[in-house]
Amino acid sequence: DAKTTQPTSMDCAEGRAANLPCNHSTISGNEYVYWYRQIHSQGPQYIIHGLKNNETNEMASLIITEDRKSSTLILPHATLRDTAVYYCIVRGNNQGGKLIFGQGTELSVKP
Amino acid sequence: GAGVSQSPSNKVTEKGKDVELRCDPISGHTALYWYRQRLGQGLEFLIYFQGNSAPDKSGLPSDRFSAERTGESVSTLTIQRTQQEDSAVYLCASSYLYGNQPQHFGDGTRLSIL
Repeated sequence: DAKTTQPTSMDCAEGRAANLPCNHSTISGNEYVYWYRQIHSQGPQYIIHGLKNNETNEMASLIITEDRKSSTLILPHATLRDTAVYYCIVRGNNQGGKLIFGQGTELSVKP
Repeated sequence: GAGVSQSPSNKVTEKGKDVELRCDPISGHTALYWYRQRLGQGLEFLIYFQGNSAPDKSGLPSDRFSAERTGESVSTLTIQRTQQEDSAVYLCASSYLYGNQPQHFGDGTRLSIL
């Protein structure tokens, strides 16, 4: 079973920041938080990952709480093309290869 | 650079036939994964090739499913005597083997069993 909890769906206005929350209260010390998204008819796309420090790349920012029990993915200026299902996944280095996908958050960016 | 490539992108076949799906990973990625995604569902892990170690086959749903990988390159997923419940998108991903490296996915093969 997935170790994360995410809202089923969210809406965001085009041009505004999209903040997607994820709860992972049972995360252990060596587990990373990964974010992927899946646009219809495509494979999942890697966005960002982190352990305990906040991370930023060209796509998004990842904010992890100090106790690491939750995190937020931030898309700073959402566009219509950001409409997708967003998956938050936790996995450790020594847990084999597989990613366990939950149901994710369906983000709808509206004009 | 080039991403993960899968072929064919779509495959329609009759129940009972065998099918072979191909995955070309990103060059230099020693780990390769297969997942299945049924319509409207999340991804299910099937199999994981980890460098020269024995593959993790724990996700294969039945003995009709098998996969091979030649060295650190191409992998093929074979489904024998296909059933209608095998209809799904089959996704391949690859990554560097060690540490926290993320997996990168292809766009999958959409398999339809008539």
